[in-house]
Amino acid sequence: AQSVTQPDIHITVSEGASLELRCNYSYGATPYLFWYVQSPGQGLQLLLKYFSGDTLVQGIKGFEAEFKRSQSSFNLRKPSVHWSDAAEYFCAVGAHGGATNKLIFGTGTLLAVQP
Amino acid sequence: EAGVAQSPRYKIIEKRQSVAFWCNPISGHATLYWYQQILGQGPKLLIQFQNNGVVDDSQLPKDRFSAERLKGVDSTLKIQPAKLEDSAVYLCASSSSSASTDTQYFGPGTRLTVL
Repeated sequence: AQSVTQPDIHITVSEGASLELRCNYSYGATPYLFWYVQSPGQGLQLLLKYFSGDTLVQGIKGFEAEFKRSQSSFNLRKPSVHWSDAAEYFCAVGAHGGATNKLIFGTGTLLAVQP
Repeated sequence: EAGVAQSPRYKIIEKRQSVAFWCNPISGHATLYWYQQILGQGPKLLIQFQNNGVVDDSQLPKDRFSAERLKGVDSTLKIQPAKLEDSAVYLCASSSSSASTDTQYFGPGTRLTVL
């Protein structure tokens, strides 16, 4: 079955520190992978996506993610976190090849940033 | 470009009452999605429309939930009668087509509380 696992429910980092959010997926075919961010009271905003090609993907707001097929992972990274990055982050796999292109989301990781 | 609009933003009802949510997608977007996000979980697709036709409603509880997109533009999601477990944020999203590579843009959501 298609699924996404985000092992960390809550992470706290200091401002200026580096960040890595973990994501593991289960998908029968080549996965289409996404990272979204959700700030309080706001909808989900796409940070980056991976379909094929270069396994290191650059996104908005200085985020990047690396697709590792051997580990079924798509971890999100940022070299230096800003206070405004505090939000909830969702990894998703996109269904494809059938009738629907729905997104299957993980349970999210809530990021807190300490001054 | 205007984003996905949803109303109301918040709704509180008693169990067994009915409620309706409205969504207006980004202009020109053919595909519209309704997702349910229960507290502590990632969003889950309820229904996907392509223009005014249903593509996927496999996870829609059809005994109480209904949705329509009569003119292929805006959409309404209804719950009748509501149960306590329907308390969630209902997210509407749209994309230009149903291609798996198209970005899904999300609205701010409607937070439903069922008492």
